Amino acid sequence: EADIYQTPRYLVIGTGKKITLECSQTMGHDKMYWYQQDPGMELHLIHYSYGVNSTEKGDLSSESTVSRIRTEHFPLTLESARPSHTSQYLCASSDSESSYNEQFFGPGTRLTVL
Amino acid sequence: AQSVAQPEDQVNVAEGNPLTVKCTYSVSGNPYLFWYVQYPNRGLQFLLKYITGDNLVKGSYGFEAEFNKSQTSFHLKKPSALVSDSALYFCAVIAPGGYQKVTFGTGTKLQVIP
Repeated sequence: EADIYQTPRYLVIGTGKKITLECSQTMGHDKMYWYQQDPGMELHLIHYSYGVNSTEKGDLSSESTVSRIRTEHFPLTLESARPSHTSQYLCASSDSESSYNEQFFGPGTRLTVL
Repeated sequence: AQSVAQPEDQVNVAEGNPLTVKCTYSVSGNPYLFWYVQYPNRGLQFLLKYITGDNLVKGSYGFEAEFNKSQTSFHLKKPSALVSDSALYFCAVIAPGGYQKVTFGTGTKLQVIP
């Protein structure tokens, strides 16, 4: 079944650790996105990709990095986690066939940095 | 620049009553407008979108939205609210052309009271 997956769903780590949040989609979508969602609900775009080997920073400055080596895979890496990185991270994808396709979201990763 | 406003942080409605969640937008040209819903500990789910044509758009779970160009609004509605409709609702806009950037509103928490 076509879907978008995120692992882990929950992660609690100590300050200074390197972490990678995984995102995979089986829908064949070219466009993929990472959002950070505050406890107050608002979504902030932190990274996006329009295809393999294409990555761009979003609206919100982030110390994370992303890669897009395969169409279906769009991992996000924090080299050195800090308490300020505590948040919910949402991955999404969309079809690039038209300019107004809706985004499909994964279930999210809730990250807590102690 | 494009923007979306959801003027209410929270909307409370009694079960069985009609509900409205408000959204206004600002964009150059004809907008593409979307509504998403987010249940606790989940990613966003697409509800409906307006691209062109009939101003009244019908979507999932009995929801509909009315596009009003003169008032630059795209309010979400449902004739009879269910307790299970309680969730976060996000309005989003894409401006035509260019990079097709999606801008999300800040979200409205809908609470349906039994």
